[in-house]
Amino acid sequence: SSELTQDPAVSVALGQTVRITCQGDSLKNTYASWYQQKPRQAPVLVMFGKDNRPSGIPDRFSGSSSGNTASLTITGAQAEDEADYYCHSRDNSGNHLEVFGTGTKVTVL
Amino acid sequence: QVQLVQSGAEVRRPGAAVKVSCKPSGYTFTGYDLNWVRQAPGHGLEWMGRMDPYSGTTAYAQRFQGRVTMTRNTSIGTAYMELSNLTSEDTAVYYCARIIKGMYAYIYYYMDVWGKGTAVTVSS
Repeated sequence: SSELTQDPAVSVALGQTVRITCQGDSLKNTYASWYQQKPRQAPVLVMFGKDNRPSGIPDRFSGSSSGNTASLTITGAQAEDEADYYCHSRDNSGNHLEVFGTGTKVTVL
Repeated sequence: QVQLVQSGAEVRRPGAAVKVSCKPSGYTFTGYDLNWVRQAPGHGLEWMGRMDPYSGTTAYAQRFQGRVTMTRNTSIGTAYMELSNLTSEDTAVYYCARIIKGMYAYIYYYMDVWGKGTAVTVSS
């Protein structure tokens, strides 16, 4: 089965840059999508495709990918960016099932 | 605007079943697949399955096979997720989410709209 692995937690100083990574075999031939989730709230899509932000998502969020790794970068992190972040992709190996990453807790210091 | 409205919180005994509803608005109900994702307390997001509201075709995560059923009522534009034989490990918030297909070098998918979630508590 396909798995997406993320670092459990990262921290970033206010105004600095942080990169969150997501590794998995499915990412060799598809793009990850990224979701931000704050406590007691539903996830919110923040990045999809090659490097696309939904309307309303600040341009300090950017995405990239290389090989089996997708990355979400926050350039100039703000206090409101403190949240859990999850990657997602569809497993294109045959079963076409969705999979979420293990999640990364981002703390803004 | 596009939104997914879910049914309210539920409490069930172990061994019972629960049925959660998700009613989209702001777009054509049969135009996009709907996914169900759950989150147990203190845990990450877990994909349960998805359904094509147009055809009723479903795809379930292996760990829920035989215990989950996703259906829809096209006349009222509502999707349902029923989970049976509940245990305390099924205590979680259950979300429905619309999924979109995109293409740029690769085909990719993303969940652009989420419901607010339905809390299901399983307790004796």
